[in-house]
Parts: sequence; structure tokens; C-alpha cells
Amino acid sequence: AQSVTQLGSHVSVSEGALVLLRCNYSSSVPPYLFWYVQYPNQGLQLLLKYTTGATLVKGINGFEAEFKKSETSFHLTKPSAHMSDAAEYFCAVSAGTASKLTFGTGTRLQVTL
Amino acid sequence: DAGVIQSPRHEVTEMGQEVTLRCKPISGHDYLFWYRQTMMRGLELLIYFNNNVPIDDSGMPEDRFSAKMPNASFSTLKIQPSEPRDSAVYFCASSFSSQGVGYTFGSGTRLTVV
Repeated sequence: AQSVTQLGSHVSVSEGALVLLRCNYSSSVPPYLFWYVQYPNQGLQLLLKYTTGATLVKGINGFEAEFKKSETSFHLTKPSAHMSDAAEYFCAVSAGTASKLTFGTGTRLQVTL
Repeated sequence: DAGVIQSPRHEVTEMGQEVTLRCKPISGHDYLFWYRQTMMRGLELLIYFNNNVPIDDSGMPEDRFSAKMPNASFSTLKIQPSEPRDSAVYFCASSFSSQGVGYTFGSGTRLTVV
């Protein structure tokens, strides 16, 4: 079985500051890891994913995440926050033969002036 | 491709009424998922299908909920009878067999039961 823990249900940063959203996972097999973003009144949109290969993955809107097996982490970062980044972010893990994603509880990102 | 299409976008119904939510997955996707999102419980997987066959319905809250996928291009989630605690946003998502692809979500149906 797999699970995801997102540290911090709410994160607030100033515009232009570094964004760091934390995600730790648990999986009995090599995981596939994902970050999704949800804007108000919308569905979830894939931001980036790690499957195999390079451990630093880049996504849309300037976000990136690094898979660290030793730390079982997949934290999401962006060097400079923009007001439009305000949204809820979900980390997810997939493992095993079923194509089922297990989502974290989400982190709401607030960006202030 | 138009993406995953859900209808209706909003539904307001009275307690005790039957509610049917609809989903059209992306053509060629062989997995379909139904999720429910609430403030209290977050994102919950209700049921998922592979090649139109229900694989895991352990997330369906009770017998009032049922889901079908009569063909590869259509699925329904039915609640009968509906209750106020069923008020939530219901999402449908689809994906290819490869688990590395990730899901594509629909825009959701906001259900309000009064």
C-alpha cells in the first residue's frame, strides 16, 4: 500500500519569494509521484510527474520537484511566487500494478503582496 | 481532445431525490475514476473502472451510491435517495493503463442537496 503526507495544510508566501510545498510518501515498490494544482472552482490539473530517470522534474508555470529516495520526499518548489500561483496543491503517489493514485490532503498556497 | 467532460456542472436537488452525474472520459483511456471532494474529508476515491469493469468500489459510502460504465465513453454515478451530507464536488478522471501517465480530471459537478 502507498500513502502520501503533505506537511502544512496552508502555506503563505510573499510575491517573489520561494515556494516550498512538502510531500513525503510511503510505498513498498518504486513509486510514481505527481503534483496536481487545483484553482478555485476547477478540477485538478497535472503540474508535473516523476516516473523514472532524472530525479529533478520540471513542470508547468515554473514549478519543479525533486525525487529523493533516501528521504522518501518529493517536495515542490518555485523560485519566485506569483499571485496567480494561489491555489491548492496535491501530491499523489502511484505504485503497484493498479493505476490508482493515492492523494495527499492538499496544501493551500496563499500569495501576498 | 475535449478532455474529460462532466455534466451537469451544478446540481441542486431536494433530499430524497435521485441524482445522476455523468462523465465522458478521454477517448482511448481505459481507466475511469470517480472522486468526491469536501472540506471535511478532502479528495476521496469512490470507485474506479478498468476497461468498463468496476475494479474497486470500497470507497462508495453506502448502498445509496451506485456507478456504472456501460461503454468506454460513458459513466454515471447515481445517488438514490440523496441526503444533505452528499453535498460535495464530484470529480471524474481518466487515464491510460500506464500508471506513469497520471490522471486527467474533469471540471467536476457541484452537488447541493437541500
